[in-house]
Amino acid sequence: GAVVSQHPSWVICKSGTSVKIECRSLDFQATTMFWYRQFPKQSLMLMATSNEGSKATYEQGVEKDKFLINHASLTLSTLTVTSAHPEDSSFYICSALDTPAESYNEQFFGPGTRLTVL
Amino acid sequence: LAKTTQPISMDSYEGQEVNITCSHNNIATNDYITWYQQFPSQGPRFIIQGYKTKVTNEVASLFIPADRKSSTLSLPRVSLSDTAVYYCLLLSNDYKLSFGAGTTVTVRA
Repeated sequence: GAVVSQHPSWVICKSGTSVKIECRSLDFQATTMFWYRQFPKQSLMLMATSNEGSKATYEQGVEKDKFLINHASLTLSTLTVTSAHPEDSSFYICSALDTPAESYNEQFFGPGTRLTVL
Repeated sequence: LAKTTQPISMDSYEGQEVNITCSHNNIATNDYITWYQQFPSQGPRFIIQGYKTKVTNEVASLFIPADRKSSTLSLPRVSLSDTAVYYCLLLSNDYKLSFGAGTTVTVRA
């Protein structure tokens, strides 16, 4: 089956530093990946859509200069949280869309990355 | 804003059938009804998807009436490991998923 991995699975960093999170589709190509954020006891919130070879599109209220997204290949998208602060502590989840998507259920989620900013 | 409405929580016992109803009054013609399951500190897992009538797979059934303004996810004979949050979402051709609060299903022994 289709597998999406994320690295690291958890990370602790100091306030003011930058953290990079990788999202990989292991056995399929994904021209489109999505990044979500989930705070404790809350639902997932879509942050941005990552498109291979082009700029990411961000949802309203998400700072594109703070959350840098790079989708350099068909199997890898990265999310960099720049100058992280404690309020950025959250569970970050990516999903990848199989390409070509022949049906609507070809979207697969990664296991998530727990970010804690001290 | 989430496009769907579902109960916040449901309790059940092992071996029972759990039915979760989701309302989506403003569903668009191109929207597919999709359900995901999420365990704590894990990414969501696809359960089932449908457009109309009934869909069944090895883990669940999805019932969709003709007007498509609601849907019901049916989990047969639940076990303790089915305790999770279940999300009802509408998926359209931009593939963006708008997660609502979901339904926390707690299965007790």
